[in-house]
Amino acid sequence: NAGVTQTPKFQVLKTGQSMTLQCAQDMNHEYMSWYRQDPGMGLRLIHYSVGAGITDQGEVPNGYNVSRSTTEDFPLRLLSAAPSQTSVYFCASSYSLRTGNTEAFFGQGTRLTVV
Amino acid sequence: AQRVTQPEKLLSVFKGAPVELKCNYSYSGSPELFWYVQYSRQRLQLLLRHISRESIKGFTADLNKGETSFHLKKPFAQEEDSAMYYCALSGSGGTSYGKLTFGQGTILTVHP
Repeated sequence: NAGVTQTPKFQVLKTGQSMTLQCAQDMNHEYMSWYRQDPGMGLRLIHYSVGAGITDQGEVPNGYNVSRSTTEDFPLRLLSAAPSQTSVYFCASSYSLRTGNTEAFFGQGTRLTVV
Repeated sequence: AQRVTQPEKLLSVFKGAPVELKCNYSYSGSPELFWYVQYSRQRLQLLLRHISRESIKGFTADLNKGETSFHLKKPFAQEEDSAMYYCALSGSGGTSYGKLTFGQGTILTVHP
């Protein structure tokens, strides 16, 4: 049972480069979200989606884009990387219509460094 | 706006001692409260949530709506409890479940 799969695990980017963090879930969850984890600040919501074709901004959306073309996938795009985006990124999925379970399941994280 | 506050960044106890990780929240409505835990080299996972009112790994947490708190407690800490603990909140119902607000996290260290 794969759960939530994030790739890559580590990435180093130069300022101005773009990249996509991949996230896939196989639990048939409706909701998917991206968080960033910074020391002393906990996890902060970047973007989230409540279903295919529906996305919305979270607390810290600037500099990031998302799309949700399928229920399973929710990629996060960094348009022009900046050192302030150095962080650990977590993808999560939650909410099964079948069971009503609201527990969030997390990927293993992507450690991104922008130099 | 919803907010979760964990006042302690670091908490150290000795094995067998009681432990309490504090969590206070602000939310206009009926929130759903969670504790998530991240052990070393593992992914973030749910420890417990207030609606289930169960004890997981000896931990309990009671939602106190009057004090807007959801403190995590364990009477006898074990070394394997050492981890990062996050208190989190979501709205109850509808699309609120897709949005979690986290506290800053508390690193618990249990010494032998």
